[in-house]
Amino acid sequence: AQSVTQLGSHVSVSEGALVLLRCNYSSSVPPYLFWYVQYPNQGLQLLLKYTTGATLVKGINGFEAEFKKSETSFHLTKPSAHMSDAAEYFCAVSARRGGYNKLIFGAGTRLAVHP
Amino acid sequence: DGGITQSPKYLFRKEGQNVTLSCEQNLNHDAMYWYRQDPGQGLRLIYYSQIVNDFQKGDIAEGYSVSREKKESFPLTVTSAQKNPTAFYLCASSIELIAGTQYFGPGTRLLVL
Repeated sequence: AQSVTQLGSHVSVSEGALVLLRCNYSSSVPPYLFWYVQYPNQGLQLLLKYTTGATLVKGINGFEAEFKKSETSFHLTKPSAHMSDAAEYFCAVSARRGGYNKLIFGAGTRLAVHP
Repeated sequence: DGGITQSPKYLFRKEGQNVTLSCEQNLNHDAMYWYRQDPGQGLRLIYYSQIVNDFQKGDIAEGYSVSREKKESFPLTVTSAQKNPTAFYLCASSIELIAGTQYFGPGTRLLVL
């Protein structure tokens, strides 16, 4: 079984500061890991995903995430926050094994960016 | 442009009424999904479908029904049995069911009158 914990339901940063959104997962099998972003009253947009291979994954809008198996983490970072990054971010996990394994979402982290 | 469309954007339901939310995709994806989103709870899976004429219950299927008569379409009906239907409903699709990246529509917000 898989689960996802996002540490901090709300994160606030200043424009130009580092963005760090934390995600820890639990999975009994090798995972697929995802980060999605949601702007108000809109659907979810895929930021990046980890399947296999390189553990540092680069996504859209300057975001990246690193898969750390030993820490069961997949934290999302961006070196310099922009006002347009204000949104809700969801981490998700699914199992990398045959058969259907649903996507499990974390509860989300709302990012606020201040001038 | 390929994508997923959901309609309507807002839907109002009267007590005892069934309402249907539309989801259409032109991505040629085999798998489709319905999620419910409530504040602070992330997304919860209602139903999913791997192929036409096949669908399976997710975690919170009670009070909902679906059909998959065409590859492109996966409508969700919120029945009168769903006692707390107020939520944001998201449809998604993926190339394949197994570990396929899911792409989401813009959502439908359902409100109860």
